[in-house]
Amino acid sequence: EDKVVQSPLSLVVHEGDTVTLNCSYEVTNFRSLLWYKQEKKAPTFLFMLTSSGIEKKSGRLSSILDKKELFSILNITATQTGDSAVYLCAVRAPGYALNFGKGTSLLVTP
Amino acid sequence: DAGVTQSPTHLIKTRGQQVTLRCSPKSGHDTVSWYQQALGQGPQFIFQYYEEEERQRGNFPDRFSGHQFPNYSSELNVNALLLGDSALYLCASSLPLTLRGRAMDYGYTFGSGTRLTVV
Repeated sequence: EDKVVQSPLSLVVHEGDTVTLNCSYEVTNFRSLLWYKQEKKAPTFLFMLTSSGIEKKSGRLSSILDKKELFSILNITATQTGDSAVYLCAVRAPGYALNFGKGTSLLVTP
Repeated sequence: DAGVTQSPTHLIKTRGQQVTLRCSPKSGHDTVSWYQQALGQGPQFIFQYYEEEERQRGNFPDRFSGHQFPNYSSELNVNALLLGDSALYLCASSLPLTLRGRAMDYGYTFGSGTRLTVV
């Protein structure tokens, strides 16, 4: 059975800290790994990763995939209170379904 | 440009009742997927509709059924509600296949969901 595991499940940091969120997976015929940010309700897309070792960056956020070790990390530098959210990792195998992890709940305190 | 619209936003139902949730996809999108997100969990795939047909189904019982209309909007129906059906139900729409290719995953847009509480 396909599995996506995120760690830690929750995290509290101070503004300005750097955080690293982890996502490991066991998926048959991996296609892509996606990161979403969920504030309140609607998940919003952050990154899609398909190739190992290629870092994707968007402002203070970056992500990288290791297809040999079957994991991805999401880094957030100089955190702000607006970064407080649940960060979801999802993996797509053949087909149309996204297989999500439980998410990491991040709280950034002033 | 409207995003994905879901209705209602909140709903309270009694065990054994039936419920219908609605989703209007983002303009230009033709595929709709439904996900169930229980408290403290990640979204779980229920099914996907394309060209008014169920194209793929997750591990959910037959009590969960759906429909897609010619205008691409979709409904999720749940019969014989159980307490365990209480969750946030998310709808996601995506681009037409001809425009997607490798961009399929970029094309997913989620709605804000319907919070269903079964008492």
